[in-house]
Amino acid sequence: DGGITQSPKYLFRKEGQNVTLSCEQNLNHDAMYWYRQDPGQGLRLIYYSQIVNDFQKGDIAEGYSVSREKKESFPLTVTSAQKNPTAFYLCASTLRVGLYNEQFFGPGTRLTVL
Amino acid sequence: SQQGEEDPQALSIQEGENATMNCSYKTSINNLQWYRQNSGRGLVHLILIRSNEREKHSGRLRVTLDTSKKSSSLLITASRAADTASYFCATDAGTGFQKLVFGTGTRLLVSP
Repeated sequence: DGGITQSPKYLFRKEGQNVTLSCEQNLNHDAMYWYRQDPGQGLRLIYYSQIVNDFQKGDIAEGYSVSREKKESFPLTVTSAQKNPTAFYLCASTLRVGLYNEQFFGPGTRLTVL
Repeated sequence: SQQGEEDPQALSIQEGENATMNCSYKTSINNLQWYRQNSGRGLVHLILIRSNEREKHSGRLRVTLDTSKKSSSLLITASRAADTASYFCATDAGTGFQKLVFGTGTRLLVSP
């Protein structure tokens, strides 16, 4: 089965703690993305990566960090510097080559800060 | 930043009726895409329309694009209760690397 997996589905964090959200894909896609979604809102881009060992900040990167050591994996760390981290986090991937590609999304991780 | 604004924010219809959602955007685009999201789930791609296309069909879906007005519409015909979801438009400026900018979404409720 090809696709994108995210874990965990639900995550609870105490204030001041860092947490890491997992995103894995077996679609052989070069490009991967992390989005944040707040209730009733659209998606906002946190970070994206075009290829292994390369990534760029999106529109709301403050308080987040990523790594891209393997093509299949793009973990997101929500640090204690993120002031309002409670949200739904979505990972996506797409082919890098070509101008008309859709993005494939994982099922999401809902993070709640207690 | 969210480039797209969708209208209406919420839409409630009966099964069998048609549902129309509109999306407006601000800058030039290479293509516009529509995605569907069931509650608490990831997004699923529905249809992509290129900037040089005016209309596209896929099953019960019909998408139009008016680049002069910077707007698009998604029509779902003969709606079903299973169509209940949020629908998002996303624009791609075509700068060489895909970076989608999503709209705020329309929540569609289809009642049996």
